[in-house]
Amino acid sequence: QVQLQESGPGLVKSSQTLSLTCNVAGGSINSAGYYWSWIRQHPGKGLEWIGFIYYGGLISYNPSLESRVTISVDTSQNHLFLKLTSVTAADTAVYYCARRTELYNSPFDSWGQGILVTVSS
Amino acid sequence: NFMLTQPHSVSGSPGKTVTISCTRSSGSIATNYVHWYQQRPGSSPTIVISEDDQRPSGVPDRFSGSIDSSSNSASLTISGLKTEDEADFYCQSYDTNNHVIFGGGTKVTVL
Repeated sequence: QVQLQESGPGLVKSSQTLSLTCNVAGGSINSAGYYWSWIRQHPGKGLEWIGFIYYGGLISYNPSLESRVTISVDTSQNHLFLKLTSVTAADTAVYYCARRTELYNSPFDSWGQGILVTVSS
Repeated sequence: NFMLTQPHSVSGSPGKTVTISCTRSSGSIATNYVHWYQQRPGSSPTIVISEDDQRPSGVPDRFSGSIDSSSNSASLTISGLKTEDEADFYCQSYDTNNHVIFGGGTKVTVL
């Protein structure tokens, strides 16, 4: 059973870059057949998909965040990364990494516990 | 792109049945699968219904899903409501670019 765990600074200053890591245990991030996503949830609000990276290097982002987001992986460390530049208070949220299979329109079957990132002014 | 609209909240007494709707704003609800997630306070979402109406292993059969083309919506029904069902529920689908679309979430309260 794959386990995902987010880590990174819980506090980021406005205008700086938010950088998070998702450690993947119990399965290889380089295995064929999986999309690895970042999803966030503003305090007391709903879920917002940020983007995904797929085995083989296909990457796609939410158009509303695309200009500021970079998702990448380090297959040697089995890590998934998120970078979000020029953050503001509106980027304060719980950030989750999640996995889905490559099957057509598959659901997210594994989620990390989430990490709260607060953007301060 | 399209939106998925859910009621802000629904409530019911223990043992009763509640239904949460998820209405697609444009395009057919049948075009892309709809999945449902339960999120208890302080926890990550977990899948309760996948592919419109499939119940993953371990999910009680009190949870069921369906889609209705006439109303262009998906529904999650919880029967035999229990206090442990109190949570936020989210529907999720995909657009033609494989981008993820979430509904706004529905808070289920057990009276």
